[in-house]
Amino acid sequence: AQSVTQLDSQVPVFEEAPVELRCNYSSSVSVYLFWYVQYPNQGLQLLLKYLSGSTLVKGINGFEAEFNKSQTSFHLRKPSVHISDTAEYFCAVSGLQLSGYSTLTFGKGTMLLVSP
Amino acid sequence: DAGVIQSPRHEVTEMGQEVTLRCKPISGHNSLFWYRQTMMRGLELLIYFNNNVPIDDSGMPEDRFSAKMPNASFSTLKIQPSEPRDSAVYFCASSLNSGQGYNSPLHFGNGTRLTVT
Repeated sequence: AQSVTQLDSQVPVFEEAPVELRCNYSSSVSVYLFWYVQYPNQGLQLLLKYLSGSTLVKGINGFEAEFNKSQTSFHLRKPSVHISDTAEYFCAVSGLQLSGYSTLTFGKGTMLLVSP
Repeated sequence: DAGVIQSPRHEVTEMGQEVTLRCKPISGHNSLFWYRQTMMRGLELLIYFNNNVPIDDSGMPEDRFSAKMPNASFSTLKIQPSEPRDSAVYFCASSLNSGQGYNSPLHFGNGTRLTVT
């Protein structure tokens, strides 16, 4: 079984400040990790993914995340946020199921609130 | 690429009525997923298909829920009869399964917001 924990339900920050959104996962198999962003009244969009290789992954909109296997974490960071980054962010883990197919399990989400 | 298309965007119905949600996946994708999103439970996987075949429906909450995928370009999620606690946003997503245990990242539709009164 796999699970994802996003420790913060809401993170308020000021514009141009750095931000880190935390994500911890558990899985009994090799995993692939993802961050998705959801803007109001829209579906989820892929921000970045970790499949293998370098543990530092860069995504769209200036976001990056670091895979830490020993701490089972995949925290999302941005050095300087904009008002337009206000959205809900979801961490997700993909792992092979007994069915032989992989499925995506999402965390509960973190609402990033950027204010001027 | 038109993306994943869901219809309707909004559905308001009365308790006891049948509701049908529709999804057109991205052309060429062979895996399709239905998720439900609520404030209390977050994103829950209801069912997923691979090559039009249901693989795992263990997330379907009750027998009132059913899903079909008659062909590679269309899927439905039906609730009959609907209840107020079914109110949520329902998302369809598609991806390409390489057959090696890994799905390409999911592409989501914009969702259907269902309100059951």
